[in-house]
Amino acid sequence: EPEVTQTPSHQVTQMGQEVILRCVPISNHLYFYWYRQILGQKVEFLVSFYNNEISEKSEIFDDQFSVERPDGSNFTLKIRSTKLEDSAMYFCASRRMTGERGTDTQYFGPGTRLTVL
Amino acid sequence: AQSVAQPEDQVNVAEGNPLTVKCTYSVSGNPYLFWYVQYPNRGLQFLLKYITGDNLVKGSYGFEAEFNKSQTSFHLKKPSALVSDSALYFCAVRVSGNTGKLIFGQGTTLQVKP
Repeated sequence: EPEVTQTPSHQVTQMGQEVILRCVPISNHLYFYWYRQILGQKVEFLVSFYNNEISEKSEIFDDQFSVERPDGSNFTLKIRSTKLEDSAMYFCASRRMTGERGTDTQYFGPGTRLTVL
Repeated sequence: AQSVAQPEDQVNVAEGNPLTVKCTYSVSGNPYLFWYVQYPNRGLQFLLKYITGDNLVKGSYGFEAEFNKSQTSFHLKKPSALVSDSALYFCAVRVSGNTGKLIFGQGTTLQVKP
């Protein structure tokens, strides 16, 4: 069964450094997402991406964040200058987009745990 | 504003007993509701969803959920719990609009004791 994969599983960085989190969505999926989960808190939406552009972003997704689909398989989240409060689990998700929009299932990757020191 | 609430941080149940994990929602328009499970060091795994049709939805691993429009609830159920069902369970609602983003509840830890 196809899965969303993410690398690395754990990333430790110093405050102010740039990090890139990588995701490989399911191959025939068209919509891609990043969510994050700060320890002990809810899973929060960050950004959605479709047709090579951002379709929606949350208030969290400020100028320090960017997403890219550099080739036909990878989907990346870049944080330019990490802050302590960026420490969280970051989940990538994808969905196929068939039928009525939004009713098909989002499938999530295992997550990248980002620790900012 | 659209939201999801899971009123219980933790649910404890004995193996073999039925389990219920509660979820209530607030949405504009038709609710599209999802349950995901998170095992330790794993991602969110899809369990089931309600889009339309029968109020009782069956999903993976013997789980089911009942959609109740009047009570705006979507409780997750299983007739007979297994120790291996112990995990963190998230209810989510799809926000209206085309992007399909999900809003999650805060999660409920299910502990099944042998």
